[in-house]
Amino acid sequence: DGGITQSPKYLFRKEGQNVTLSCEQNLNHDAMYWYRQDPGQGLRLIYYSQIVNDFQKGDIAEGYSVSREKKESFPLTVTSAQKNPTAFYLCASSMVPQANYGYTFGSGTRLTVV
Amino acid sequence: EDQVTQSPEALRLQEGESSSLNCSYTVSGLRGLFWYRQDPGKGPEFLFTLYSAGEEKEKERLKATLTKKESFLHITAPKPEDSATYLCAVLKGGSEKLVFGKGTKLTVNP
Repeated sequence: DGGITQSPKYLFRKEGQNVTLSCEQNLNHDAMYWYRQDPGQGLRLIYYSQIVNDFQKGDIAEGYSVSREKKESFPLTVTSAQKNPTAFYLCASSMVPQANYGYTFGSGTRLTVV
Repeated sequence: EDQVTQSPEALRLQEGESSSLNCSYTVSGLRGLFWYRQDPGKGPEFLFTLYSAGEEKEKERLKATLTKKESFLHITAPKPEDSATYLCAVLKGGSEKLVFGKGTKLTVNP
């Protein structure tokens, strides 16, 4: 079955550590997105990519980095510069132009600072 | 500035008590309005896409409608399994990025 896979489901980060969240899709979608979700704040866009080897900052890119070396993969690194990383992170993908269902989402990664 | 506002933030219903969720938007050149359902700890799941004012779509107990300024998600005779957060998002011309509202958390009590 086609879909989008995020791993791990839960991740714990110590102060000063960088951590990488994985996102893989087998839908042959061109575009991929990373969102952060906090209670009461909805989905906030971190980074997005519409083509391999190219990506753009979203609304809250500071303290995060991404790469898009393969069409199927769009990993997100949460760096030590991100001061409040505890949140639920969602990866999504879509066709370009958008299909009639918009985005397909992964099941999310919950990151906690310990 | 493009904005999507959902109301209410939270809604508590008794099983069988019908109601509506609202999504108002200010965006130029609307290409589509999307409704998603999100269960706790999971990613959003697609429900509906609406493209033009006057359009309606139905799925089981849910019906989505669209005007030039807002969309409603009507829930008829809800059941406890309808409890979730419902997200609205819009896509405007010239962009491939969805703009999301903050969601409405629906709780249906048995």
